[in-house]
Amino acid sequence: DGGITQSPKYLFRKEGQNVTLSCEQNLNHDAMYWYRQDPGQGLRLIYYSQIVNDFQKGDIAEGYSVSREKKESFPLTVTSAQKNPTAFYLCASLRDHRVLSTEAFFGQGTRLTVV
Amino acid sequence: GENVEQHPSTLSVQEGDSAVIKCTYSDSASNYFPWYKQELGKRPQLIIDIRSNVGEKKDQRIAVTLNKTAKHFSLHITETQPEDSAVYFCAARGLTNTGFQKLVFGTGTRLLVSP
Repeated sequence: DGGITQSPKYLFRKEGQNVTLSCEQNLNHDAMYWYRQDPGQGLRLIYYSQIVNDFQKGDIAEGYSVSREKKESFPLTVTSAQKNPTAFYLCASLRDHRVLSTEAFFGQGTRLTVV
Repeated sequence: GENVEQHPSTLSVQEGDSAVIKCTYSDSASNYFPWYKQELGKRPQLIIDIRSNVGEKKDQRIAVTLNKTAKHFSLHITETQPEDSAVYFCAARGLTNTGFQKLVFGTGTRLLVSP
């Protein structure tokens, strides 16, 4: 069953802690993305990766870090430097980032809450 | 960079009515415009898309129109049904100067279809 899987579905973090959100895909897609979704603000790009061992900052990268050691995995770490981390986080992938009409597939999301 | 605006933020219609959601974009280089539907607690899923060399595209009750000169595109849903109730996101996709495909989303429209 091919797809993109995010875990956990819900995550609670204490102030000052780093947490890592998992994103795994078995679609053999090259490009992977992390978005943050807040009410009334749509989806904002945090980080993206075109290929293994390469990643670039998106529009709101401050307080976040990523790695891309394997093609199928693109974990996102929310660090203590992120001042307002409570949000819904979505991971997405594209088969070929060079082809404009390629559909982006999304994971089911992780809802992070700071307690 | 690209900026996508979406209106309205909420839209309530009676079952059987039509619904129209409008988006504008800023980067004239953007040339692919997908629409995503996100049901409550679920991942966004592609419902229709349009490329910049096409003015209109239809798929059963859903249609999208694009005006490249004015830089706006719209989603039209006819004969709405309660299961159409969801949040709809428009997006614009173009290439960065490194050739990476970047997807910028609108802020979303919450559509409520009342029986």
